[in-house]
Parts: sequence; C-alpha cells; structure tokens
Amino acid sequence: QVQLVQSGSELKKPGASVKVSCKASGYTFTNYAMAWVRQAPGQGLEWMGWINTNTGNPTYAQGFTGRFVISLDTSVSTTYLQISSLKAEDTGVYYCAGDREPVGSGSYFFGYWGQGTLVTVSS
Amino acid sequence: DIVMTQSPDSLAVSLGERATINCKSSQSVLYRSNNKNYLAWYQQRPGQPPKLLIYWASTRESGVPDRFSGSGSGTDFTLTISSLQAEDVAVYYCQQYYSPPLTFGGGTKVEIK
Repeated sequence: QVQLVQSGSELKKPGASVKVSCKASGYTFTNYAMAWVRQAPGQGLEWMGWINTNTGNPTYAQGFTGRFVISLDTSVSTTYLQISSLKAEDTGVYYCAGDREPVGSGSYFFGYWGQGTLVTVSS
Repeated sequence: DIVMTQSPDSLAVSLGERATINCKSSQSVLYRSNNKNYLAWYQQRPGQPPKLLIYWASTRESGVPDRFSGSGSGTDFTLTISSLQAEDVAVYYCQQYYSPPLTFGGGTKVEIK
C-alpha cells in the first residue's frame, strides 16, 4: 500500500535551517508529483509548492520562494523540504502530499499524505 | 489567485442528520474542454493529516462511504454528509486545482449537536 513517512518533529532557533524528509513506498515514485502543504497552529491548509518527480523541477507558491527549497532523491524515493533563516512564523505542521493523478495529467489533488512534521521555531 | 470561500465556518448536526458545507470559488474552476470541475474535498480529523474524499467535484475516492457526496459546478460547490456519524467529526476543506497556486478554503468544522 502507498505510504508517505515523514521525519520527526524539529525544534529550531530563529535563523537556523531545517530539512524535512518524506519517504514514499508502495508505488513508482517518479510517476506522481509531490507537494508540500503547511498548516500553521490552529489554521487551515496552505500549498507551498510541488516537485515533478520525473524531472526534478520544483514550483513554488508565492510566499514560499527564496528560503524554501523542495528537492528529491529518486534513489531512495524521498522528497525534501528545506527551510533556511527560520522565523517564528514558520512554526507549523508540514505535510508532504502525493498527487492522485500521474505526472503530466495537469491536475493536482492529493490522495496520499504523510503524517506531518511539526517544526517549532523558538528562541 | 483563485480564492476559495467556505461556509459556514462551523456547524453542529445531530447524529443521523444531514450536514451541508458550501464552497465558492472567486472564478470558475470548470475547464470547458473536458467539462470537468477542478475541485476536491478533504476531511481532516483532529490530529490527523487530511484525507481525500471527493475529486472532480463529485467523484468519491475509493473507500469513502457513500454518505459523502459532492455537487456543484463553475463557482459554487457543496459537500453533503447525508447521515452524520460520530467519526465524521472533523474539519472539511475544499481545494481548487484549476490553476496554480493551488488554494484551499478556510475549512468548516463539523461537530455533533
């Protein structure tokens, strides 16, 4: 069965960096795009961007450029989200989410979700 | 950007009764060339990641109980839970995938009355 397993919670100081991983199993990794979604404490869902797992090309939402990098390692079926120069407002749960439709379909809704990684930024 | 507006913010429904959640997009998410509405619904139970319920506005995901149904077209959509069960207590989100950036509604919290 399809599984997305994320790395554990992180506590970071402002200005530090964090790298969250999302390991996929149960399907052909390069056939489905992967997105990252943020959920601030007590808030809704916010799409940060996605990566084409076939080409490795990422696309970012406005507001998630510059300090945010989405990457992948196809050899271990893993997607990464790196955030640099962390700020208190980066605190939240970060989810990886696998596209329900194959790469190239032009439609992006998410049938598979990781369990979430809580990133806390506090001095 | 397409803005997704859900209503109500929360609702309390008795067990076995109907729950109706609305979602309105700031522009049409109907793609004329294939006559498909690029609209999905998710359920997020407390402490859990979201779960896909409905896509293409009305197609139920495999394994989702048939008490969940989606309807609507263009800019106005509805998620209906025909007979609320205790396990349906959750926050429900709509999401458009017509054009990037992908955007979600603010969520509707469903509770038991």
